[in-house]
Order: sequence, then structure tokens, then C-alpha cells
Amino acid sequence: QVTLKESGPGILQPSQTLSLTCSFSGFSLSTYGMCVGWIRQSSGKGLEWLANIWWNDDKYYNPSLKNRLTISKDTSNNQAFLKITNMDTADTATYYCARDTMGILMDAWGQGASVTVSS
Amino acid sequence: DVVLTQTPSTLSATIGQSVSISCRSSQSLLDSAGNTYLYWYLQRPGQSPQLLIYLVSNLGSGVPNRFSGSGSGTDFTLKISGVEAEDLGVYYCMQATHAPLTFGSGTKLEIK
Repeated sequence: QVTLKESGPGILQPSQTLSLTCSFSGFSLSTYGMCVGWIRQSSGKGLEWLANIWWNDDKYYNPSLKNRLTISKDTSNNQAFLKITNMDTADTATYYCARDTMGILMDAWGQGASVTVSS
Repeated sequence: DVVLTQTPSTLSATIGQSVSISCRSSQSLLDSAGNTYLYWYLQRPGQSPQLLIYLVSNLGSGVPNRFSGSGSGTDFTLKISGVEAEDLGVYYCMQATHAPLTFGSGTKLEIK
């Protein structure tokens, strides 16, 4: 059974850096074709894809967030990470991680981590 | 970025009724290798999204066969043949042919 769970600070101030962790089980990010992605959803709004990282360490980012995103992984501990610099109130959202495989994207999602940016 | 336009934005159905949701893309989602990376997800109230359909018409694991997907190029459809109470929520289409991945704005299904 594939499970994912996000963890984060909950609340942070504008200009701070957000650090999120996705802890997963049921698959390995060292296995060919596996990938973990990050998606966010603002309150009452739709879904926005942020980034993903593949088993071979290939990384892809949404250009709309310019150079604010950094994605990484710890294969040994079954974790993936996302950092977003210079957080703003507009970044307040629920952040999800999801598993991707080649051809079948986002076939399992975490429960989401709520992040509020407020001074 | 590719814009996915979903219609209708809200849908009201009775149990057992068949309904369809349209997803239109601003660009063709057929890639040079002949693949079409169009997906459908359902987000039930208070829950995370879940995969329903991948690569236009393939049913996700454990998804009931009352769900079906079709389409090509820029026009795609999700059909529910016989709505059940558990189908209420917001349906999203998503494309992964063109970077960055983008989602439609969602279709909310209400049960009468």
C-alpha cells in the first residue's frame, strides 16, 4: 500500500523560507520510473503543480515560481523535500505531495499540509 | 502555459443519472511520440484529490467502471454512467504533455 504524508511548519512570516517534508512508504524513489511531486491548493481555489523529482534525480519546476523552489530527496529514508524561499501571504495554501510514475501521474496523494503566511 | 477549460463549473445530478464533464485545452495534448497526457481527478469534500483516469481513458486502480474518459487533441470528456452519492465533489482535468503541468479550474458535482 502506497502512503504519503506531508509535514511543515504550519505558520510562517512573510519573507521566510518554507520547508516541507513528504514521508512515504510502499515504494522507493530509487526504483526506476518513480517520482514524487508537489502540488498546492489555495483556500477555495484550484490546484497548482509546483515541482517533481524522479528516481534518477531529474527535477522539474513550475516557472511561475521562478527561482524560489528547490526540490530534493533522501532515498534512504523515503523522503522528499520542497523549499520555497521568500514566502508571501499569497503562498498560503494546502501543500500536497503525490507519487508519479511514468505515464500514471499523481496516483497517490498525501493528506496535505496547511501553510499560513502571516505577519 | 496550457489552459484547460472545464464545463460546466457546477453540475447537479440525481442518483443513477449519467453525466459528462468537458475539458478543452488551449493546445493539442498529443505529443510527438503519439501519447496524450490527460488525467482526471476527484476531490471529495475535505479530502485530497484522487486519480480517476490516466492517459485519457485508462481507469485508475480501484476506480469503479462507471467512470470513463474519452477524447483526443484538445477536447476531452469524463463520463459517469449512473451517479452514486459518493461521487459528489470537484472533478479536475490535468495535462502533462506540455510543461508546466496544469489543471482545469474544476467542476463541482452536486447530488440532488
